Amino acid sequence: EDQVTQSPEALRLQEGESSSLNCSYTVSGLRGLFWYRQDPGKGPEFLFTLYSAGEEKEKERLKATLTKKESFLHITAPKPEDSATYLCAVRSTTGNQFYFGTGTSLTVIP
Amino acid sequence: GAVVSQHPSWVICKSGTSVKIECRSLDFQATTMFWYRQFPKQSLMLMATSNEGSKATYEQGVEKDKFLINHASLTLSTLTVTSAHPEDSSFYICSARGGRRPDGYTFGSGTRLTVV
Repeated sequence: EDQVTQSPEALRLQEGESSSLNCSYTVSGLRGLFWYRQDPGKGPEFLFTLYSAGEEKEKERLKATLTKKESFLHITAPKPEDSATYLCAVRSTTGNQFYFGTGTSLTVIP
Repeated sequence: GAVVSQHPSWVICKSGTSVKIECRSLDFQATTMFWYRQFPKQSLMLMATSNEGSKATYEQGVEKDKFLINHASLTLSTLTVTSAHPEDSSFYICSARGGRRPDGYTFGSGTRLTVV
């Protein structure tokens, strides 16, 4: 059964304090692993897609990496505006739907 | 581009009434749309997949008679919550497949449903 687990559930960081969010996944065949940002009361906003182990993508203060079992979202020198819930999702080769993790709620304190 | 418009953004209804939520792809044709439900501090749970012109495929545990999905055109899918009850209060989000996006999918902005 395809499964996605994210940790930690919640993370509080001081502004400038770098950290990483984890996404562990089990999928029969990985078509893609996705990271989204979700602000309260809004739909998910696309950040990255990773397709194969060893792949890395960067965007501003965010960097996503992928291994065969997990993905990390590294946040370097975060700012208060990075506060949001970060969702990880996978698509398997056997279907079109996404399987989402429960998310990590990030709060960056000024 | 790829924009999905979801309407309404929030709705309050009385218990026992029905509510319709619309999901439109504005600048692309979406042959497949997905409907998700998200409870507070929980992740998005797929409810059903709808394909244009055919019956929706519901995930296990989702009542198809309660959550009616219609995908009559390539740009519009609707979710009707029938005989709503307070436990149906949730955040409903649609997603459309298609458009020029890196992930191939575009999410709507969600609908907050409160049943009183």
